[in-house]
Amino acid sequence: GQQLNQSPQSMFIQEGEDVSMNCTSSSIFNTWLWYKQDPGEGPVLLIALYKAGELTSNGRLTAQFGITRKDSFLNISASIPSDVGIYFCAGATNAGNNRKLIWGLGTSLAVNP
Amino acid sequence: DTGVSQDPRHKITKRGQNVTFRCDPISEHNRLYWYRQTLGQGPEFLTYFQNEAQLEKSRLLSDRFSAERPKGSFSTLEIQRTEQGDSAMYLCASSHPVRAGRNTQYFGPGTRLTVL
Repeated sequence: GQQLNQSPQSMFIQEGEDVSMNCTSSSIFNTWLWYKQDPGEGPVLLIALYKAGELTSNGRLTAQFGITRKDSFLNISASIPSDVGIYFCAGATNAGNNRKLIWGLGTSLAVNP
Repeated sequence: DTGVSQDPRHKITKRGQNVTFRCDPISEHNRLYWYRQTLGQGPEFLTYFQNEAQLEKSRLLSDRFSAERPKGSFSTLEIQRTEQGDSAMYLCASSHPVRAGRNTQYFGPGTRLTVL
């Protein structure tokens, strides 16, 4: 099935560093969502973006909906050990009855205390 | 609101057995989704309900899989004659088109299925 291009695939950083990850698509989306997933758990919504150019923050997290509607990025500032996990981007269109999300393969983040 | 809940959290079964999972969405969310996730992958869409109507099914959903949402609230996903390839995390999500934002899906903790 269709997938988003998410990069990087994995990151290993020192506590306190900033992190940036992004997703690109060949299709236009009306919604971009960023989730974090811990092992054995379901994805937890971090940030939802609904408008091209929108820049939204949630604590140390900032995400933007690209102007072309084909990309989005997520930044984490001043990383801490509990940021460890897999971060997924997901996009959605409103076409017809299509409500399913298209997912990236995830960015695995490891933080060295 | 309480979050999406799923039951059981873990299920171990023998090949050929039938299993049923339950999902309770966030109260008043009219849309409910089922996904399957294997290690190293993002969730794969299986099916989605709007109220009690099943509006879309993925080609991944073979005839051994069936999902219901009889009263437009909780949903069940049944897998008949399980195969080892069915081993995965089964995720449920719900959304409300107005309150939660368009297409914004909230996930439950998942049911981990292991088929021996």
